[in-house]
Amino acid sequence: SQTIHQWPATLVQPVGSPLSLECTVEGTSNPNLYWYRQAAGRGLQLLFYSVGIGQISSEVPQNLSASRPQDRQFILSSKKLLLSDSGFYLCAWSGDSLLPADTQYFGPGTRLTVL
Amino acid sequence: AQSVTQLDSHVSVSEGTPVLLRCNYSSSYSPSLFWYVQHPNKGLQLLLKYTSAATLVKGINGFEAEFKKSETSFHLTKPSAHMSDAAEYFCVVSDGATNKLIFGTGTLLAVQP
Repeated sequence: SQTIHQWPATLVQPVGSPLSLECTVEGTSNPNLYWYRQAAGRGLQLLFYSVGIGQISSEVPQNLSASRPQDRQFILSSKKLLLSDSGFYLCAWSGDSLLPADTQYFGPGTRLTVL
Repeated sequence: AQSVTQLDSHVSVSEGTPVLLRCNYSSSYSPSLFWYVQHPNKGLQLLLKYTSAATLVKGINGFEAEFKKSETSFHLTKPSAHMSDAAEYFCVVSDGATNKLIFGTGTLLAVQP
């Protein structure tokens, strides 16, 4: 069966420091991958999605970036964190050969606090 | 364009009583609709999905939802609430062209003992 992992689970970082969050999916191949941010009182915001290795689409302009170095690995990065980057970051996957592409399955999330 | 509206931001029920979480959708074609649940500091878990095969969709943990095209509604129900049902629930529609998900603003369900 498919599983999705995210780490770290929680992170406290100072303003201006770099960021790297990792998401990996097991038990599937060539999935679509997504990064969302959930800020307090603001719902879920799609940040990036990827349909394949090296293919990244950005949904909103920001100081974050994403990369997909391997088929089942999705990384969210920043060179310099802002206070407004605090939130709960969720990775999701969809669309392998057995499951429909419109159904997304979410990871456990990373709670990021920028001080 | 597709959209969903969750009509209640907070719902409070007593344990053992029925749950009703309301969602209306807007779509130019037959949509794929979902309900997800999120417990505090956890990821989103898929409860159920509607894909036009049947208007009454049964999900996990005793939840079900009925697709009513005439009312453009997709309300989530459960006959008897349990304390473990306390969580935030999201009604979601899929953009058929891109498969991106469009989330409602969420309904926070509280279950009183």
